Amino acid sequence: AQSVTQLGSHVSVSEGALVLLRCNYSSSVPPYLFWYVQYPNQGLQLLLKYTSAATLVKGINGFEAEFKKSETSFHLTKPSAHMSDAAEYFCAVSGSAGGTSYGKLTFGQGTILTVHP
Amino acid sequence: EAQVTQNPRYLITVTGKKLTVTCSQNMNHEYMSWYRQDPGLGLRQIYYSMNVEVTDKGDVPEGYKVSRKEKRNFPLILESPSPNQTSLYFCASWGGGSSYNEQFFGPGTRLTVL
Repeated sequence: AQSVTQLGSHVSVSEGALVLLRCNYSSSVPPYLFWYVQYPNQGLQLLLKYTSAATLVKGINGFEAEFKKSETSFHLTKPSAHMSDAAEYFCAVSGSAGGTSYGKLTFGQGTILTVHP
Repeated sequence: EAQVTQNPRYLITVTGKKLTVTCSQNMNHEYMSWYRQDPGLGLRQIYYSMNVEVTDKGDVPEGYKVSRKEKRNFPLILESPSPNQTSLYFCASWGGGSSYNEQFFGPGTRLTVL
């Protein structure tokens, strides 16, 4: 079984401030982890992914995330928020390739990021 | 252009009237999946397919059917829609190569069941 918990359904930051979106996961097998972004009235776009290589993963638009197995966390950060970062962000987990839960992707509830001028 | 397409993008129907939402991908991906998105619940997987004629249930399969007769297509079928199936639906595909395990999402289908 696998699950994802995103702490905070809404996060508000000022432009230029640090962005920190929290994600904790539960998985009985080595996981693959993802962050997706959804802009209003659009589909989902992959920000970054962890697939058992480097634990610090860099993604698009200046975002990065660190896989911490001991904390079962995969928090998303960006050093300096921009107005264009305002969107909803989803953390997701799947089983690793070759495992029985590889095709099964489980999403968190989502975090809406608001950026104030 | 590599993409996942869904049709229709918007659909309003009535309870009990069978409908099909189509999904097609042009990336030769082995895997395809359907999700529904509801406020506060994130995306929940309905069904997924590992290849032609191979499908499995996700977290919320009740009331839905799928088929995978061709690699590029993965239609979602609602035999007898009910109002609780009003939602935003996304299709996704993924496979091997450099984008291994990255899921590519379609634009979404907003379904309203009256």
